[in-house]
Amino acid sequence: QKEVEQDPGPLSVPEGAIVSLNCTYSNSAFQYFMWYRQYSRKGPELLMYTYSSGNKEDGRFTAQVDKSSKYISLFIRDSQPSDSATYLCATRGGATNKLIFGTGTLLAVQP
Amino acid sequence: ETGVTQSPTHLIKTRGQQVTLRCSSQSGHNTVSWYQQALGQGPQFIFQYYREEENGRGNFPPRFSGLQFPNYSSELNVNALELDDSALYLCASSSGSGGATDTQYFGPGTRLTVL
Repeated sequence: QKEVEQDPGPLSVPEGAIVSLNCTYSNSAFQYFMWYRQYSRKGPELLMYTYSSGNKEDGRFTAQVDKSSKYISLFIRDSQPSDSATYLCATRGGATNKLIFGTGTLLAVQP
Repeated sequence: ETGVTQSPTHLIKTRGQQVTLRCSSQSGHNTVSWYQQALGQGPQFIFQYYREEENGRGNFPPRFSGLQFPNYSSELNVNALELDDSALYLCASSSGSGGATDTQYFGPGTRLTVL
């Protein structure tokens, strides 16, 4: 079983739609959760960072962590074509607090 | 822009050869991590260096090695290249010592193709 599971998509939505991206994780000891956005031919950039359970909002983006079900989500409101990218969920784990990534979900927002 | 640069952008090698990839971290960032991202996959942790010492390693064989220099630059060396080594190689730097709250800033990556 992978430590972080993510549906690879692709996911295609019309402009203005609400997007829901989800991941599950296996280790209940994980406490830090991140969402990265990766445009084509670029490195990942940190989008959202949450600790433990709860919600965190930043503009059109909301990150949600449910530790009881080991489920993390990213919601994008009023999606724009510029949001088209691969979204990677991640957590920190192991003795080195290494980043552990999901496979990424490819999102396309159609104008 | 994160301030992390990598060179070269693309590289083509043949099986059995050796390759060196380079990364320049942001000034003041003492920790650098390297990741391998195969096509359609998330990045996989290779190793991490803090102040020129390796302080963590993922599930990669010894033919993957690295160096970190005092001028915030680092290298990833891969010996005896295999076809499966074809991937995007990312370096990420951070200002802390690699702790759980240490934000990592990624470079654009080097695309390695092994024929």
